[in-house]
Amino acid sequence: NAGVMQNPRHLVRRRGQEARLRCSPMKGHSHVYWYRQLPEEGLKFMVYLQKENIIDESGMPKERFSAEFPKEGPSILRIQQVVRGDSAAYFCASSRDVGTSYEQYFGPGTRLTVT
Amino acid sequence: GDSVTQMEGPVTLSEEAFLTINCTYTATGYPSLFWYVQYPGEGLQLLLKATKADDKGSNKGFEATYRKETTSFHLEKGSVQVSDSAVYFCALNAGGTSYGKLTFGQGTILTVHP
Repeated sequence: NAGVMQNPRHLVRRRGQEARLRCSPMKGHSHVYWYRQLPEEGLKFMVYLQKENIIDESGMPKERFSAEFPKEGPSILRIQQVVRGDSAAYFCASSRDVGTSYEQYFGPGTRLTVT
Repeated sequence: GDSVTQMEGPVTLSEEAFLTINCTYTATGYPSLFWYVQYPGEGLQLLLKATKADDKGSNKGFEATYRKETTSFHLEKGSVQVSDSAVYFCALNAGGTSYGKLTFGQGTILTVHP
Protein backbone atom coordinates (compact mmCIF):
# COMPACT_ATOMS: atom_id res chain seq x y z
CA ASN A 1 0.00 0.00 0.00
CA ALA A 2 1.70 3.17 -1.16
CA GLY A 3 2.05 5.92 1.37
CA VAL A 4 1.24 9.58 0.98
CA MET A 5 2.89 10.90 -2.15
CA GLN A 6 4.01 14.44 -2.73
CA ASN A 7 5.55 16.06 -5.74
CA PRO A 8 7.75 17.66 -6.55
CA ARG A 9 10.15 16.89 -3.71
CA HIS A 10 12.09 20.06 -4.36
CA LEU A 11 10.83 23.21 -6.04
CA VAL A 12 12.71 26.39 -6.81
CA ARG A 13 10.79 29.51 -7.73
CA ARG A 14 11.78 33.11 -8.30
CA ARG A 15 9.99 35.83 -6.38
CA GLY A 16 6.65 36.61 -8.00
CA GLN A 17 6.17 33.19 -9.59
CA GLU A 18 3.54 30.63 -8.68
CA ALA A 19 4.19 27.39 -6.82
CA ARG A 20 1.94 24.35 -7.10
CA LEU A 21 2.43 21.49 -4.66
CA ARG A 22 0.67 18.17 -5.14
CA CYS A 23 -0.39 15.53 -2.67
CA SER A 24 -1.92 12.11 -3.25
CA PRO A 25 -3.30 10.61 -0.04
CA MET A 26 -2.98 7.00 0.97
CA LYS A 27 -5.43 4.62 -0.65
CA GLY A 28 -8.71 4.69 1.21
CA HIS A 29 -8.00 8.04 2.86
CA SER A 30 -10.36 10.90 2.12
CA HIS A 31 -9.03 13.48 4.59
CA VAL A 32 -6.05 15.62 3.64
CA TYR A 33 -4.06 18.11 5.73
CA TRP A 34 -1.33 20.55 4.80
CA TYR A 35 1.38 21.73 7.20
CA ARG A 36 4.29 24.10 6.80
CA GLN A 37 7.66 23.72 8.48
CA LEU A 38 9.83 26.80 8.57
CA PRO A 39 13.56 26.31 9.13
CA GLU A 40 14.31 25.00 12.64
CA GLU A 41 10.67 25.18 13.67
CA GLY A 42 7.89 22.71 14.26
CA LEU A 43 5.08 22.05 11.84
CA LYS A 44 2.23 24.52 11.63
CA PHE A 45 -1.23 23.49 10.46
CA MET A 46 -2.47 25.24 7.33
CA VAL A 47 -5.62 23.59 6.02
CA TYR A 48 -7.80 20.48 6.27
CA LEU A 49 -9.76 19.26 3.26
CA GLN A 50 -12.10 16.49 2.30
CA LYS A 51 -13.04 15.73 -1.27
CA GLU A 52 -14.29 18.97 -2.87
CA ASN A 53 -14.56 20.71 0.52
CA ILE A 54 -12.35 22.89 2.66
CA ILE A 55 -13.18 22.01 6.25
CA ASP A 56 -10.73 24.13 8.24
CA GLU A 57 -8.44 26.76 6.73
CA SER A 58 -7.67 28.56 9.97
CA GLY A 59 -3.91 28.24 9.42
CA MET A 60 -3.81 29.53 5.86
CA PRO A 61 -2.37 32.98 5.19
CA LYS A 62 -5.15 35.26 4.06
CA GLU A 63 -3.55 36.16 0.76
CA ARG A 64 -1.77 34.29 -2.04
CA PHE A 65 -2.39 30.80 -0.61
CA SER A 66 -5.16 28.45 -1.69
CA ALA A 67 -5.85 24.73 -1.51
CA GLU A 68 -8.16 22.30 -3.20
CA PHE A 69 -8.95 18.60 -3.15
CA PRO A 70 -11.00 17.82 -6.25
CA LYS A 71 -13.22 14.83 -6.76
CA GLU A 72 -10.59 13.29 -8.99
CA GLY A 73 -6.86 13.75 -8.66
CA PRO A 74 -4.48 14.97 -6.00
CA SER A 75 -4.84 17.78 -3.53
CA ILE A 76 -3.12 20.98 -4.64
CA LEU A 77 -1.59 23.71 -2.48
CA ARG A 78 -1.11 26.81 -4.57
CA ILE A 79 1.03 29.79 -3.64
CA GLN A 80 0.76 32.81 -5.90
CA GLN A 81 3.43 35.49 -6.24
CA VAL A 82 5.86 33.73 -3.94
CA VAL A 83 8.13 35.70 -1.62
CA ARG A 84 11.34 34.64 0.14
CA GLY A 85 9.42 34.09 3.38
CA ASP A 86 7.48 31.26 1.69
CA SER A 87 10.65 29.16 1.58
CA ALA A 88 9.87 26.17 3.75
CA ALA A 89 9.04 22.48 3.73
CA TYR A 90 5.39 21.78 3.01
CA PHE A 91 4.03 18.49 4.28
CA CYS A 92 0.82 16.78 3.35
CA ALA A 93 -0.84 14.21 5.58
CA SER A 94 -3.88 12.02 5.17
CA SER A 95 -6.17 10.02 7.44
CA ARG A 96 -8.81 7.40 6.92
CA ASP A 97 -11.31 9.22 9.05
CA VAL A 98 -11.40 12.26 11.29
CA GLY A 99 -11.34 12.35 15.05
CA THR A 100 -8.86 12.72 17.83
CA SER A 101 -7.62 9.14 17.73
CA TYR A 102 -7.16 8.80 13.99
CA GLU A 103 -3.56 8.88 12.90
CA GLN A 104 -2.35 11.21 10.21
CA TYR A 105 0.20 9.74 7.81
CA PHE A 106 2.70 12.15 6.37
CA GLY A 107 4.26 12.43 2.96
CA PRO A 108 7.97 13.15 2.39
CA GLY A 109 7.33 16.85 1.88
CA THR A 110 8.03 19.44 -0.79
CA ARG A 111 10.91 21.76 -0.07
CA LEU A 112 10.21 25.12 -1.64
CA THR A 113 13.04 27.56 -2.18
CA VAL A 114 12.26 31.07 -3.34
CA THR A 115 15.19 32.91 -4.90
CA GLY B 1 -5.51 28.09 22.38
CA ASP B 2 -3.99 24.62 22.20
CA SER B 3 -0.23 24.38 22.52
CA VAL B 4 2.60 21.90 23.00
CA THR B 5 5.91 22.66 24.69
CA GLN B 6 8.93 20.41 24.31
CA MET B 7 12.18 20.50 26.20
CA GLU B 8 14.88 22.62 24.65
CA GLY B 9 17.34 20.77 22.49
CA PRO B 10 19.53 19.56 21.01
CA VAL B 11 20.08 16.44 23.07
CA THR B 12 23.33 14.53 22.67
CA LEU B 13 23.76 11.07 24.18
CA SER B 14 26.10 8.13 24.01
CA GLU B 15 24.83 4.83 22.70
CA GLU B 16 22.93 2.79 25.35
CA ALA B 17 22.17 5.87 27.44
CA PHE B 18 18.68 6.55 28.84
CA LEU B 19 16.57 9.08 26.96
CA THR B 20 13.88 11.42 28.22
CA ILE B 21 12.33 14.17 26.11
CA ASN B 22 9.83 16.23 28.04
CA CYS B 23 6.52 17.32 26.55
CA THR B 24 3.73 19.28 28.19
CA TYR B 25 0.53 20.51 26.63
CA THR B 26 -2.34 22.93 27.02
CA ALA B 27 -5.69 21.99 25.57
CA THR B 28 -9.38 22.11 26.30
CA GLY B 29 -11.21 18.84 26.52
CA TYR B 30 -9.48 15.49 26.17
CA PRO B 31 -6.88 15.54 23.43
CA SER B 32 -5.09 12.61 21.90
CA LEU B 33 -1.31 12.79 22.15
CA PHE B 34 1.31 11.68 19.67
CA TRP B 35 5.06 11.42 19.20
CA TYR B 36 6.36 11.70 15.65
CA VAL B 37 9.95 11.19 14.46
CA GLN B 38 11.57 12.88 11.48
CA TYR B 39 14.77 11.52 9.95
CA PRO B 40 16.93 13.86 7.86
CA GLY B 41 15.29 14.82 4.59
CA GLU B 42 12.18 12.78 5.26
CA GLY B 43 8.61 13.29 6.37
CA LEU B 44 7.23 12.54 9.79
CA GLN B 45 6.55 9.03 10.98
CA LEU B 46 4.20 8.24 13.80
CA LEU B 47 6.20 6.75 16.68
CA LEU B 48 3.47 6.20 19.26
CA LYS B 49 0.18 7.61 20.51
CA ALA B 50 -2.17 7.67 23.50
CA THR B 51 -5.82 8.62 23.34
CA LYS B 52 -6.88 8.88 26.98
CA ALA B 53 -5.50 9.57 30.42
CA ASP B 54 -3.09 6.95 31.84
CA ASP B 55 -2.71 5.25 28.46
CA LYS B 56 0.84 4.23 27.63
CA GLY B 57 1.95 4.31 24.03
CA SER B 58 4.95 2.21 23.06
CA ASN B 59 6.88 1.32 19.94
CA LYS B 60 10.46 0.27 19.08
CA GLY B 61 11.52 0.55 22.72
CA PHE B 62 10.09 4.05 23.13
CA GLU B 63 7.35 4.73 25.65
CA ALA B 64 5.20 7.66 26.74
CA THR B 65 2.39 7.85 29.30
CA TYR B 66 -0.53 10.27 29.04
CA ARG B 67 -0.57 12.12 32.39
CA LYS B 68 -3.62 14.31 32.62
CA GLU B 69 -2.82 15.58 36.12
CA THR B 70 0.49 17.04 34.95
CA THR B 71 -0.61 17.60 31.32
CA SER B 72 2.49 15.74 30.15
CA PHE B 73 3.50 13.08 27.65
CA HIS B 74 7.22 12.55 28.13
CA LEU B 75 9.07 10.28 25.72
CA GLU B 76 11.48 7.70 27.17
CA LYS B 77 13.77 4.98 25.93
CA GLY B 78 15.94 2.82 28.11
CA SER B 79 18.87 2.37 25.73
CA VAL B 80 19.28 4.55 22.67
CA GLN B 81 21.05 3.56 19.47
CA VAL B 82 22.87 5.62 16.86
CA SER B 83 19.95 4.93 14.51
CA ASP B 84 17.63 6.83 16.88
CA SER B 85 19.31 10.10 15.87
CA ALA B 86 16.47 12.23 14.48
CA VAL B 87 14.10 15.06 15.35
CA TYR B 88 11.25 14.15 17.69
CA PHE B 89 7.95 16.03 17.72
CA CYS B 90 5.25 15.88 20.35
CA ALA B 91 1.76 16.69 19.04
CA LEU B 92 -1.85 16.79 20.11
CA ASN B 93 -5.23 16.57 18.46
CA ALA B 94 -7.69 18.48 20.61
CA GLY B 95 -10.86 17.42 18.84
CA GLY B 96 -13.92 19.64 19.00
CA THR B 97 -13.89 22.33 16.33
CA SER B 98 -10.19 21.58 15.76
CA TYR B 99 -10.77 17.93 15.05
CA GLY B 100 -8.73 17.95 11.89
CA LYS B 101 -5.70 19.67 13.23
CA LEU B 102 -2.50 18.47 14.84
CA THR B 103 -0.70 20.99 17.04
CA PHE B 104 3.05 20.33 17.23
CA GLY B 105 5.81 21.21 19.62
CA GLN B 106 8.95 22.81 18.25
CA GLY B 107 10.82 19.53 17.96
CA THR B 108 13.85 18.14 19.79
CA ILE B 109 16.98 17.15 17.90
CA LEU B 110 18.51 13.95 19.24
CA THR B 111 22.05 12.92 18.34
CA VAL B 112 23.40 9.59 19.56
CA HIS B 113 27.14 8.93 19.38
CA PRO B 114 28.73 5.46 19.24
